[in-house]
Amino acid sequence: AQSVTQPDIHITVSEGASLELRCNYSYGATPYLFWYVQSPGQGLQLLLKYFSGDTLVQGIKGFEAEFKRSQSSFNLRKPSVHWSDAAEYFCAVGGDYKLSFGAGTTVTVRA
Amino acid sequence: DVKVTQSSRYLVKRTGEKVFLECVQDMDHENMFWYRQDPGLGLRLIYFSYDVKMKEKGDIPEGYSVSREKKERFSLILESASTNQTSMYLCASSFRGTLINEQFFGPGTRLTVL
Repeated sequence: AQSVTQPDIHITVSEGASLELRCNYSYGATPYLFWYVQSPGQGLQLLLKYFSGDTLVQGIKGFEAEFKRSQSSFNLRKPSVHWSDAAEYFCAVGGDYKLSFGAGTTVTVRA
Repeated sequence: DVKVTQSSRYLVKRTGEKVFLECVQDMDHENMFWYRQDPGLGLRLIYFSYDVKMKEKGDIPEGYSVSREKKERFSLILESASTNQTSMYLCASSFRGTLINEQFFGPGTRLTVL
């Protein structure tokens, strides 16, 4: 069975500081991994995805994620956070048509 | 741009009512999905459909049914709404293909059952 753990429920970061969101997955085969963002009152938007190849993946809005098979992790990073990055972030692992989502990490950005 | 639309942003229903949530996508996607989103639980898959008239149960199908009569439309039905079905409902769609393709999400319907 596939599953995702996002250990941090809530993170507060200062504007301009770096951000790292953790994601650990469980999946028997080669995972398909995704990060989505949900701004208040909005649906989910895809930030980036990993299927194979280079383990460092670049996404939209200046985000990147690194796949580490040995650690079963797919952590999301941004070097310098903007106030508009305040949102909820979801990691997901895919298999057999389906995605399994983590519980989400809420990011608060302080001025 | 892919567009996934949901019939209502907010819905308030009474216990025991039959509730229909509608979802339409305009990109000719084969797969469509219904999730519910609850704080601390993330998104949980209720049902998905990989073709017209085809459906598969997700992780939490109890109390729900679905209908897909046309490729672009996927309906979620609560036969007899209960208060524990108060939640945010998200619809998504994707191409089938050979990979697990990204899913495109609608804005969600926040359902309150009184």
